[in-house]
Amino acid sequence: AQSVTQLDSQVPVFEEAPVELRCNYSSSVSVYLFWYVQYPNQGLQLLLKYLSGSTLVKGINGFEAEFNKSQTSFHLRKPSVHISDTAEYFCAVSFTGNQFYFGTGTSLTVIP
Amino acid sequence: GAGVSQSPSNKVTEKGKDVELRCDPISGHTALYWYRQRLGQGLEFLIYFQGNSAPDKSGLPSDRFSAERTGESVSTLTIQRTQQEDSAVYLCASSLAGSFYEQYFGPGTRLTVT
Repeated sequence: AQSVTQLDSQVPVFEEAPVELRCNYSSSVSVYLFWYVQYPNQGLQLLLKYLSGSTLVKGINGFEAEFNKSQTSFHLRKPSVHISDTAEYFCAVSFTGNQFYFGTGTSLTVIP
Repeated sequence: GAGVSQSPSNKVTEKGKDVELRCDPISGHTALYWYRQRLGQGLEFLIYFQGNSAPDKSGLPSDRFSAERTGESVSTLTIQRTQQEDSAVYLCASSLAGSFYEQYFGPGTRLTVT
């Protein structure tokens, strides 16, 4: 069975500090990987995605993620966070069957 | 261009009533998804439409839930005999065909069953 795990439900971090949001998936087939962000009172929007090629993917707002096939992970990172990064972050996986699986989300709170 | 729109934005209904939620996808997007997001939880896949193919209904939690889509346009999610556990935000997303394409999400419909 395919699934997505976001181990950290809440991550508080001070402004300008680095952050890593963890995402692991289970799958025996090729996957496509996504990170979505949901700002307060807004809809989900795509941060970045991995389809193929380079395992390091850069997205909007200075975020990046690295696909690690051996560890089945797709952790999201940012070297220096801003107050405006406070939001809910969702990792998602899709397969050739067109169904997407989302993690339970990580609430990132940036502390001034 | 216009994004995905959903209506109503909020719906309060009494237990046992039927509700209809509407989704207008982005023009040209052949794929349409419905998700449920309960408070404090992740997105739960409900149903997927792709063009004129038979929909993937594998995520519908019970036979009280159904959805329709006319061609590649509007979709309606219907919940019959609503229960309190149906309270959630219902999200619609559309994308170009293929699981590697980005999904564009609507703002959601917040359903409260009293």
